[in-house]
Amino acid sequence: DAKTTQPPSMDCAEGRAANLPCNHSTISGNEYVYWYRQIHSQGPQYIIHGLKNNETNEMASLIITEDRKSSTLILPHATLRDTAVYYCIVRVRGGGSNYKLTFGKGTLLTVNP
Amino acid sequence: DADVTQTPRNRITKTGKRIMLECSQTKGHDRMYWYRQDPGLGLRLIYYSFDVKDINKGEISDGYSVSRQAQAKFSLSLESAIPNQTALYFCATSGRGRGYNEQFFGPGTRLTVL
Repeated sequence: DAKTTQPPSMDCAEGRAANLPCNHSTISGNEYVYWYRQIHSQGPQYIIHGLKNNETNEMASLIITEDRKSSTLILPHATLRDTAVYYCIVRVRGGGSNYKLTFGKGTLLTVNP
Repeated sequence: DADVTQTPRNRITKTGKRIMLECSQTKGHDRMYWYRQDPGLGLRLIYYSFDVKDINKGEISDGYSVSRQAQAKFSLSLESAIPNQTALYFCATSGRGRGYNEQFFGPGTRLTVL
């Protein structure tokens, strides 16, 4: 799996957009970018994933650069409940031996009132 | 109701005791996983199961065993608990095909071994 680099922490004002960056310069052509988050002591929560096109769902948007070496997770209107550690994970999608998610240290996003 | 449930949510036990943590899911997923989380170490995979007849060791299986009683149930046992097994334990599930990396986690079990 390609290695990812995320800032250790970020702050965001409530109601504003939170933009969380992730660098994955060694990503392979068949690897997807996944984002999860973990609110304190709760189970990790899947947010979104993408290959090369920008993706949007009810939780967030994912912007992947054209060279796919970096991406940004966007929470359009952050709330206090979005305070969590956000993990960027790069993996080949599908079955076979791809059974284990490797969570790095992630980015602690703190949403302030 | 939650899709992935874990029982108990909290447990305090003594060294040498046998402990079982249970996980149930209503998502209809075939794959189930047990992770543990320690401060500063992230999540580490203990065991995983691709279906009822399939059990595989993860990266830290020593001291643990599992049972996949049904597609929806996956139990983790500590045969003789020791203090360094004090951790937060998570069960997760994922579906077939292209959804393998989209894992859904339970709320966790906080285990303390004295």
